[in-house]
Amino acid sequence: AQSVTQPDIHITVSEGASLELRCNYSYGATPYLFWYVQSPGQGLQLLLKYFSGDTLVQGIKGFEAEFKRSQSSFNLRKPSVHWSDAAEYFCAVAPFSGGYNKLIFGAGTRLAVHP
Amino acid sequence: DVKVTQSSRYLVKRTGEKVFLECVQDMDHENMFWYRQDPGLGLRLIYFSYDVKMKEKGDIPEGYSVSREKKERFSLILESASTNQTSMYLCASSFRTTLADGYTFGSGTRLTVV
Repeated sequence: AQSVTQPDIHITVSEGASLELRCNYSYGATPYLFWYVQSPGQGLQLLLKYFSGDTLVQGIKGFEAEFKRSQSSFNLRKPSVHWSDAAEYFCAVAPFSGGYNKLIFGAGTRLAVHP
Repeated sequence: DVKVTQSSRYLVKRTGEKVFLECVQDMDHENMFWYRQDPGLGLRLIYFSYDVKMKEKGDIPEGYSVSREKKERFSLILESASTNQTSMYLCASSFRTTLADGYTFGSGTRLTVV
């Protein structure tokens, strides 16, 4: 079945530590790929996106993500986490079957940051 | 610089009331969406609209209806509110033919039905 999977529901890291949030998708053709962040009580904000080309994409707030076709993954990374990064992170895909203009969201990963 | 505005941040309604959630966008987007967000369930699509007076059911349309009389405004209607509709509701919009900027989301409305 077509899906977007974020295997980690909760992640806790220490401030200053590196971070990787996982996202896997199962669609026949490579979809468009997105990461969103949701701060407590807020809507979702776009962090970065991948359509084609360079498989390492840079986003806002110091985040980056790497597309790996062989693993059907689009993992989000940050080298040094700040306390303000505590939030919920959503991976989303826009599959070819939807004309690349309809987003399917993963269930989200809640990030906690210890001082 | 607000682009998608949801009329209320918090609402408390009684069971059986008719509830209107309003969403307005100023980006000339064709597509508009209503999601509900519940812990552990992520975002679930209720309804979306790709043009004025057009609507399509999402994954969980039961108990909801929508209205889109103008391009910039998309309303979610709970015909008879129930406690299981207590949730965070998120509105979003996008262009129809390109997701170059993804979806733009409003700040959400937290609805409590008592």
